[in-house]
Amino acid sequence: DAMVIQNPRYQVTQFGKPVTLSCSQTLNHNVMYWYQQKSSQAPKLLFHYYDKDFNNEADTPDNFQSRRPNTSFCFLDIRSPGLGDAAMYLCATSRGLAGIHEQFFGPGTRLTVL
Amino acid sequence: TQLLEQSPQFLSIQEGENLTVYCNSSSVFSSLQWYRQEPGEGPVLLVTVVTGGEVKKLKRLTFQFGDARKDSSLHITAAQTGDTGLYLCAGGTDSNYQLIWGAGTKLIIKP
Repeated sequence: DAMVIQNPRYQVTQFGKPVTLSCSQTLNHNVMYWYQQKSSQAPKLLFHYYDKDFNNEADTPDNFQSRRPNTSFCFLDIRSPGLGDAAMYLCATSRGLAGIHEQFFGPGTRLTVL
Repeated sequence: TQLLEQSPQFLSIQEGENLTVYCNSSSVFSSLQWYRQEPGEGPVLLVTVVTGGEVKKLKRLTFQFGDARKDSSLHITAAQTGDTGLYLCAGGTDSNYQLIWGAGTKLIIKP
């Protein structure tokens, strides 16, 4: 089945220690998104890639970076995690066509910062 | 700036009761989607509505898109404990591939 996969499902890191979260997709979608979600709130878009073009949200801290080496994979790097970065991180994909809005999500990575 | 106002933010009811969640905007959307997210998982798309006045049913869930395509509702009949989760509405426009998200409704169904 076509899907969005996130690894790991749970990540524990120390304050200030860099961490990388990964996402892969078999849907062959043009767009890959990274969202941050805190308890029972709506997901907050951090940035997205349309193919190789990176699109950052204006209020995303510089501490968050992303890489998309190919169509299938996308990574979220948190350079110096703070306690406030503890959250669920969701990866999603979409076809990237105007008027086609469905997004398909992975299961998420729960990040704990000690 | 387009906004989607979702209400209520939190709802806790007994199993067997009915409920409605609303999503409202002053802007027109070309499509509106509803997602359900269970604890510890990613959101899952339930339905997309695209035509003003459209009604779609998914078992006990009924989704409606307003005639002017500015609002939508989700009605659950005879709620079950398995309906517990975070319900999210999101809207899109013809000129863009991205979504505008509502704030979410946390639904708890008590046995």
